[in-house]
Amino acid sequence: AQSVTQLGSHVSVSEGALVLLRCNYSSSVPPYLFWYVQYPNQGLQLLLKYTTGATLVKGINGFEAEFKKSETSFHLTKPSAHMSDAAEYFCAVRGAGTDKLIFGTGTRLQVFP
Amino acid sequence: NAGVTQTPKFQVLKTGQSMTLQCAQDMNHNSMYWYRQDPGMGLRLIYYSASEGTTDKGEVPNGYNVSRLNKREFSLRLESAAPSQTSVYFCASSELAGITDTQYFGPGTRLTVL
Repeated sequence: AQSVTQLGSHVSVSEGALVLLRCNYSSSVPPYLFWYVQYPNQGLQLLLKYTTGATLVKGINGFEAEFKKSETSFHLTKPSAHMSDAAEYFCAVRGAGTDKLIFGTGTRLQVFP
Repeated sequence: NAGVTQTPKFQVLKTGQSMTLQCAQDMNHNSMYWYRQDPGMGLRLIYYSASEGTTDKGEVPNGYNVSRLNKREFSLRLESAAPSQTSVYFCASSELAGITDTQYFGPGTRLTVL
C-alpha cells in the first residue's frame, strides 16, 4: 500500500525567499512520485515527477524536488519565491505496478511582498 | 485542443436528486479518472477507467456510478445525492494507466447538496 504525508497545511514565505514544501511517502514497492500545483479555481497541473534514474528532478516554474529513499522523502523547493507561486501544492505517489495515484492532503503556499 | 473539459462548472442539488457530471478529453488518452476534493483531505479517487469498456472502483465509490461512453467521454452519476457528496469533482485523463504517465485534470465541478 502507498500513502503520502505532507507536513504543514499552510506555508508562508516572503517574495524572494526559499520555498520548501515537505512530502514523505510510504510504499511497499518502488514508488513513482509527483508534485502537482492547483491555482485558485483551477484543476491540477503537473509540476514534476520522479520515476527512475536521477534523484534530483527539475520541473516547471523553477521548482525542483529530490527523491531520498533513505528518508522516504520527496521535498519540493524553489530558491526564490514569486508572488505567482501562491497556490496549493499536492504530493502524490503511485506504486510500481499499480494503477492508482494517491494524493497528500495538500499545502497552501502564501507569498507575501 | 481543449484538453479535459467538464460540465457543469457549478451545480446545486437537493437531497435525493440525481445528476450526471460529464467529462470529455480530446487527447486520445486511454485512461480516465474521477476524483473528489474536500478541504483537508486532498484528492480521493472515486472511479477510474483504464481503457474504453472497463471501469474500476477507487477509494470512495459508494453513492456513485460511472460510464465510459467511448474513448473520449467518462461520466459520473449520483443516483440519490446526499449532503456528504458536497465537494469539488475533478476528472482526469492519462495516456496509459499503471505506469508513470502524467494525469491531466479538468477545471472541476463544484457541487453543493442541500
